[in-house]
Amino acid sequence: SAVISQKPSRDICQRGTSLTIQCQVDSQVTMMFWYRQQPGQSLTLIATANQGSEATYESGFVIDKFPISRPNLTFSTLTVSNMSPEDSSIYLCSALDRGLGYTFGSGTRLTVV
Amino acid sequence: GQQLNQSPQSMFIQEGEDVSMNCTSSSIFNTWLWYKQDPGEGPVLLIALYKAGELTSNGRLTAQFGITRKDSFLNISASIPSDVGIYFCAGGESNAGKSTFGDGTTLTVKP
Repeated sequence: SAVISQKPSRDICQRGTSLTIQCQVDSQVTMMFWYRQQPGQSLTLIATANQGSEATYESGFVIDKFPISRPNLTFSTLTVSNMSPEDSSIYLCSALDRGLGYTFGSGTRLTVV
Repeated sequence: GQQLNQSPQSMFIQEGEDVSMNCTSSSIFNTWLWYKQDPGEGPVLLIALYKAGELTSNGRLTAQFGITRKDSFLNISASIPSDVGIYFCAGGESNAGKSTFGDGTTLTVKP
């Protein structure tokens, strides 16, 4: 399966600031996704990162708050904008390729103070 | 949106025992996936199921895609301490590729 490098692995940020999380896959993949996992909870899909076009957001998530880029088939970024303590969570990048299956990055543990 | 009911929520078992967990949904899924998550890590895919009725094994793990496409189970045989972790099921929409996750089963194995 594909290998995903996600960074930063963790960060502590001031409220009102923004953080950009990077996701690099070691091979070209068909689809990339961003998930959020709040402490002790399951994973919730934020959006599907579309290559060369705007991301597709799930209900409850909007582009202004979580802008996403995917300039090519191996890289994507998620920005958490204007952060508040409620944004403290683990953010996970995932990739899918029919030949390689599903893979997750190790996650970015974000704490907003 | 689609929701999955995963049970049990947690399990405490003795090393060597077999484990069974399952997921059900009111919606049909085209794929069923089972993941394990260790602390501080992202989920790792254990088994992927792509066809209704499919039964697949991966070592001591066995999973089945229910005939109705609304459920799946995961069995772990002869559990060992390193099986400890949180197990998630996920239903996948093959066209969109995205997955809906269950709430997880926390497994504790006592040596």
